[in-house]
Amino acid sequence: QVQLQESGPGLVRPSETLSLTCTVSGGSISTYYWSWVRQPPGKGLEWIGFIYYTGTTTYNPSLESRVTISLDTSKNQFSLKLSSVTAADTAVYYCWRGSAAHGGFPSFWGQGTLVTVSS
Amino acid sequence: DIVMTQSPDSLAVSLGERATINCKSSQSVLYSSNNKNYLAWYQQKPGQTPKLLIYWASTRESGVPDRFSGSGSGTDFTLTISSLQAEDVATYYCQQYYSTPYTFGQGTKLEIK
Repeated sequence: QVQLQESGPGLVRPSETLSLTCTVSGGSISTYYWSWVRQPPGKGLEWIGFIYYTGTTTYNPSLESRVTISLDTSKNQFSLKLSSVTAADTAVYYCWRGSAAHGGFPSFWGQGTLVTVSS
Repeated sequence: DIVMTQSPDSLAVSLGERATINCKSSQSVLYSSNNKNYLAWYQQKPGQTPKLLIYWASTRESGVPDRFSGSGSGTDFTLTISSLQAEDVATYYCQQYYSTPYTFGQGTKLEIK
């Protein structure tokens, strides 16, 4: 069974860079689409972007200037970096593996990690 | 971006009754070459990760009870719970994956009447 686990600091200061890692176990990262999604407290879901196993990325234009998603196949991980954060970036961040049918919806999710932006 | 609008924002239904949630997209999510609607539905219980219920607008994910069904095409979609159970209390989201950025509806909170 594939499992995903997000990790990273739970508190980030305004204007700094949020960095999260999603570690994949029970399967290889060298296939499928791998996405990041976030959910501000009490609010809805926002798709941040994905990376294909080839390294090709697509980002949400609303965040594109600040987002980088990368892949580390040697560690079976993929990562999210979001620069110049503000309080509006406070959210639970989820990683998911796209389904075999289409990368746009998930077969597997991480449990999510809350990142708070505050000084 | 494709805007997804759900209705209602909240809904209270008696146990055993039918619950219906609507989702409308600002443009069609039907891909004519394969006649598939690129629309998914999720269930999220408080404090939990969202759970995929339906994809391709009407295909139930493995393990999802058959009281959940999805219908619709083009721009108008419906999630139906045929007989509401207590464990169905949750917020439900629709999502289009027709084009990036993938977008979600604002959510519909389902409660017991």
